[in-house]
Formats: sequence, C-alpha cells, structure tokens
Amino acid sequence: DQQVKQNSPSLSVQEGRISILNCDYTNSMFDYFLWYKKYPAEGPTFLISISSIKDKNEDGRFTVFLNKSAKHLSLHIVPSQPGDSAVYFCAARVGTTNAGKSTFGDGTTLTVKP
Amino acid sequence: DTGVSQNPRHKITKRGQNVTFRCDPISEHNRLYWYRQTLGQGPEFLTYFQNEAQLEKSRLLSDRFSAERPKGSFSTLEIQRTEQGDSAMYLCASSLAGTGGNIQYFGAGTRLSVL
Repeated sequence: DQQVKQNSPSLSVQEGRISILNCDYTNSMFDYFLWYKKYPAEGPTFLISISSIKDKNEDGRFTVFLNKSAKHLSLHIVPSQPGDSAVYFCAARVGTTNAGKSTFGDGTTLTVKP
Repeated sequence: DTGVSQNPRHKITKRGQNVTFRCDPISEHNRLYWYRQTLGQGPEFLTYFQNEAQLEKSRLLSDRFSAERPKGSFSTLEIQRTEQGDSAMYLCASSLAGTGGNIQYFGAGTRLSVL
C-alpha cells in the first residue's frame, strides 16, 4: 500500500513557463510534507516544506500548495529554468520537530527545455 | 560542515558475502536515518537513531541487516549473506530533532551491486 503517490513519472516544460508537480497521499495522519530534488549521482536535496496547518508556502520561485480535504499537494516552479531539470520527490511524515521517518513517493522527472 | 558523507560510494560483492557501509552525519545532528532506494522508486525507510538509540526499524529490515551508531556520531549498516535482491542505493540522512521542520539532509548514497 503506497501511502504517497506521484502519478506522473515525467514532466517536460519550456524554459520560463510554470512547472506543476503533483502528489497524493492516503494516510490522514500525515501532517508535514516536503519536496526534495535529486540530481544524478547525488542524494536528495531538501527544497521546500509545508505543515498541515497551512495551505500554501512560498520560497522564491517555488510554491507548495496543500489541499487537505483532497489529500493532495502540488509544487509550482515559476519560472522554470533548465537547472531545475531533476527528479522531484514528494515526502510526508507524522509530526514536525520530533518526527521520525519520511514516506516518499516514487518521484517525477522534470525536464526543462531551453 | 561538509554535509552527510557516505562510504564507500560503490560496492560490488558476490552473493553470500557480508558488506558494511558507513555514514558520517552533519556534526551537530542528533538523528540519523537509513533509507534504501531501488531504480524508479523513492527512498524507503529502513531505520533511524536518536543519538546512539535505535528508535524505529522497518519490517523491510530483515535479520540479515543490522545498523549501529555506537557513540551517537557515525553509523554503520551491515548486510550479512547478501542476496541479489539487496542490490540498491543505500541512503543515509541526518537531522536535528527539536528544530523547526526537523529536515533530513541526505548523503550521496552507497550503491550496492550483488552479483
């Protein structure tokens, strides 16, 4: 039973346009969500997070939206740049400051074309 | 601070051999996590420590797997009697529990190939 799902294995967008990556979860106990970016031969790098008490968090070109009733979150990248090309993982966990493990989706490969 | 360091980066072994991986976390981090990632999938949780105490183990962690963090600093993950199904990327992460978000920072991983 996969509790965090990223249904789009890949996404291709033009440089300067918006990239929207989606993530769905099934476990209603999850209350903290994170996005990680991964380049080849590197470990995942933390990008942005959101607590369940919020519905939006913004950091520069990256915005994460959370819809708790739909158990859905999305990552918006505006404007997209070629350097954003990477695998993006959605992760979820129970708790914030003392949380343990994270549960990850299978990732979406984003390609930003110049 | 050089981030989370994992050694070796690659390990090739024959089925039935034992292997050990090492993870050096970010120095002030009190939590250390091990994940496993196979091709096309996201990281799967294996176990984590707070200081030297192992707080949770996944059911994925069979009795052939053992992890230690003896002094609350570096950690080792040992796989005994390796099987071909153990071939994967083993990722280590560390975090500072009690701080905002308790964000996990990952190393580059150890890629294990069992022949």
